[in-house]
This record gives sequence, C-alpha cells and structure tokens, in this order.
Amino acid sequence: DGGITQSPKYLFRKEGQNVTLSCEQNLNHDAMYWYRQDPGQGLRLIYYSQIVNDFQKGDIAEGYSVSREKKESFPLTVTSAQKNPTAFYLCASSPDGWNTEAFFGQGTRLTVV
Amino acid sequence: KNQVEQSPQSLIILEGKNCTLQCNYTVSPFSNLRWYKQDTGRGPVSLTIMTFSENTKSNGRYTATLDADTKQSSLHITASQLSDSASYICVVILNAGKSTFGDGTTLTVKP
Repeated sequence: DGGITQSPKYLFRKEGQNVTLSCEQNLNHDAMYWYRQDPGQGLRLIYYSQIVNDFQKGDIAEGYSVSREKKESFPLTVTSAQKNPTAFYLCASSPDGWNTEAFFGQGTRLTVV
Repeated sequence: KNQVEQSPQSLIILEGKNCTLQCNYTVSPFSNLRWYKQDTGRGPVSLTIMTFSENTKSNGRYTATLDADTKQSSLHITASQLSDSASYICVVILNAGKSTFGDGTTLTVKP
C-alpha cells in the first residue's frame, strides 16, 4: 500500500522538550517537505529536501531541524528554541521537486502543555 | 498581504447547490496552479493541476479554471454533497520551484 505516513497523529510535549515527528514514504519520491499549518492560515514551509543527505531551510526554519539519511524518511525535530510550536504539521513528498505532483501525509497535531 | 488570495474565507451552501471559490495571485512566473481539498484534521488531497497554458481542468464534480492574463483561478463545485465540506486550498508553483499557498476557503455543505 503506497503512500506517505506521518506519526504520531497527536503529540503532546512539555515546554522545554525537544520532540521528533516521523515522516515515511514508500513512493520512491526524491523530494520531501515539512509544512506548518496554523488555524486560518496557509501552509508555511519549514524545511525541504530534494535528495538524500541534502536539505534546505524554508520560510520558517528557526527552532526546527531535519535529517535525510534515507530516501524514504524525513524526520522533523521541534526544538525548545521554537517559541510557539503548537500547530498542525504536514509532511509531503513529490517525485522530483515541486514541479511534480506532491502528496501529503495525514498530519501530526503537536500541542505544548 | 498574501501573494495568493482566496475568497471567500468561508462559505455555507445547501446540499445539491453549486458554488465557486476564487483564487487571485500576484506571484509570477508560475509553472502550475493547484487546488487541494483538505478535510478537517487530515492532509490535503490534490484535486486539479493546471499549467499556465490550460484554461480549464475537471475532476468529477470539480472544475478549475485559470486566466493567466488576469491571474485568477476559480474552483467550481457542482451538485454539492455533504462530503464536500472541507477547506479548499489554492497553491501557485513558481518556475523556480517555490510554492505559495493561499489561506484556503472553508466550505460547509448543509443538508
């Protein structure tokens, strides 16, 4: 069953803790992306990766980190430096950059308690 | 000011009625324009993808139009169903590969 999987669906974190969100795809896509979605706002790009072992900052990278050690995996770490981490996080992948169709995961809702 | 503006922000219609959502953009040059449907608490799902040379693209009851001269796109939903209740997002992809998302239109279809 091909697709892009995010886990967990819901995540709670105490202030000051780092937390890692998982994103896995078995679509053999080269490019992967992380977005943040806040209520009533458009998706904002956090990080993206066009190829294994390479990634670039998006528009709101501060307080986040990523790795791309494997083609199928692109985990996002929300660090304690992110001042307002409560949000809905979406991972996406595409065959070869944004000029090819992107597929989204089901999202992870992170709440800081 | 968002470079991709969607209107209305929210819309309520009765089941069976048609509706049209608007997307105006200022970014250029663009590679393609996409409409996504996002159910509450889920990831967006692609409805249509149009290049700058295409004027219209259909996907079942969804029809997207594009006027590259006026930089406007619309998404028309025919014979709405309760399952059409969702947020509809317009995305403009630039030639350089950067994507710009609209804030979305929240559609509620009532019985």
